Amino acid sequence: QVQLQESGPGLVKPSQTLSLTCTVSGGSIRSGLYYWSWIRQPPGKGLEWIGNIYDNDSTYYSPSLRSRVTISVDTSKNQFSLKLSSVTAADTAVYYCARWISSCSASSCYNFDYWGQGTLVTVSS
Amino acid sequence: EVVLTQSPATLSVSPGERATLSCRASQSVSNNLAWYQQKPGQAPRLLIYGASSRATGIPARFSGSWSGTEFTLTINSLQSEDFAVYYCQQYDNWMCSFGQGTKLEIK
Repeated sequence: QVQLQESGPGLVKPSQTLSLTCTVSGGSIRSGLYYWSWIRQPPGKGLEWIGNIYDNDSTYYSPSLRSRVTISVDTSKNQFSLKLSSVTAADTAVYYCARWISSCSASSCYNFDYWGQGTLVTVSS
Repeated sequence: EVVLTQSPATLSVSPGERATLSCRASQSVSNNLAWYQQKPGQAPRLLIYGASSRATGIPARFSGSWSGTEFTLTINSLQSEDFAVYYCQQYDNWMCSFGQGTKLEIK
């Protein structure tokens, strides 16, 4: 059973960089079948896709966040990370990491199937 | 960038009845659309993928359908545990996006 767990500071100051890590257990982060994503949810609001990272380290980001986002993988630790620069109060949200299925099969098709529990990050001085 | 518009924002239905939730895409995404259920304080749970296929362990009362850019999630015989917020999600040309959600509440 795959499990994902987010970790990182719960409070970040405005203009600084938000950094989070997602630890994957129960499977290799380099499988050739599954890829990895970050998604966020401001308090009381809907879900916002941030970006995906693939096995060849190719990354795809939401156009609205592209200039400030970096997603990377550390295969030695079976982790992937999110960095979001120049944060403001609008970046306050629960941040989720998730497994991304980038193909169609009998059991999935371009969807997020496993999610972390989420971690609240507040941007405030 | 594909925009997903969900309607209604809030749907009030009595237990045992049927709920019909809609999601409209701003352009064709083929059938690359999924539905998720989210309860307070929890991560979203995958319900439907490929517009109409149920994910593992999802009860048969949940079904998805689509026509062109219009997608529908139908929940028959609503149970108490079905009252939650539902999101659609699409994939097109390496990009993903979510609808704004429909809150399904008890009438």
